[in-house]
Amino acid sequence: AQSVTQLDSQVPVFEEAPVELRCNYSSSVSVYLFWYVQYPNQGLQLLLKYLSGSTLVKGINGFEAEFNKSQTSFHLRKPSVHISDTAEYFCAVSDRKAAGNKLTFGGGTRVLVKP
Amino acid sequence: DVKVTQSSRYLVKRTGEKVFLECVQDMDHENMFWYRQDPGLGLRLIYFSYDVKMKEKGDIPEGYSVSREKKERFSLILESASTNQTSMYLCASSKGLAGFYEQYFGPGTRLTVT
Repeated sequence: AQSVTQLDSQVPVFEEAPVELRCNYSSSVSVYLFWYVQYPNQGLQLLLKYLSGSTLVKGINGFEAEFNKSQTSFHLRKPSVHISDTAEYFCAVSDRKAAGNKLTFGGGTRVLVKP
Repeated sequence: DVKVTQSSRYLVKRTGEKVFLECVQDMDHENMFWYRQDPGLGLRLIYFSYDVKMKEKGDIPEGYSVSREKKERFSLILESASTNQTSMYLCASSKGLAGFYEQYFGPGTRLTVT
């Protein structure tokens, strides 16, 4: 069974500073990788996804993530955060060969951007 | 814009009650999902459906059932609510069966069972 580990449950960061959110997955099969964001009192929305090709993926709102197959990681980065980036971020994987579009989520990382 | 709506944002029920959570999507998506979200555990899949009247168990189906009578509507049923089912429930939908399809989420229903 797949598992996804987000190494930090909370990340406080000052406005305009960079942030990195770490995600590692455990899988013996090929996967698709996703980052979702949940703003306060809202559902999740897609930030970015890795399907194939370039290992550096750019998403919305200035976020990017890098797929590292050897380390089974998919870390999310933003070079300069805004107050509006305060949210919870979820890493997720799906099995390339499995039908059903099932996602396995990590435990989430809460980002608190301070002025 | 894809829209996934859930019938209630907040719900308070008593132990033993039968609870219905409703979800509707307006994009003619094939797949629909129910998750529960708990602090530190992320989202865990309860059930999903890839077609009308079809359902598949997810990772934590115990104590829940689902119904999909129409393509756009997917209901989660707690036959006899218990306090350990107090949680945030999120519904999602996606276009197809392949793993690369994005899932679109509703705003969630925060259920409290007392």
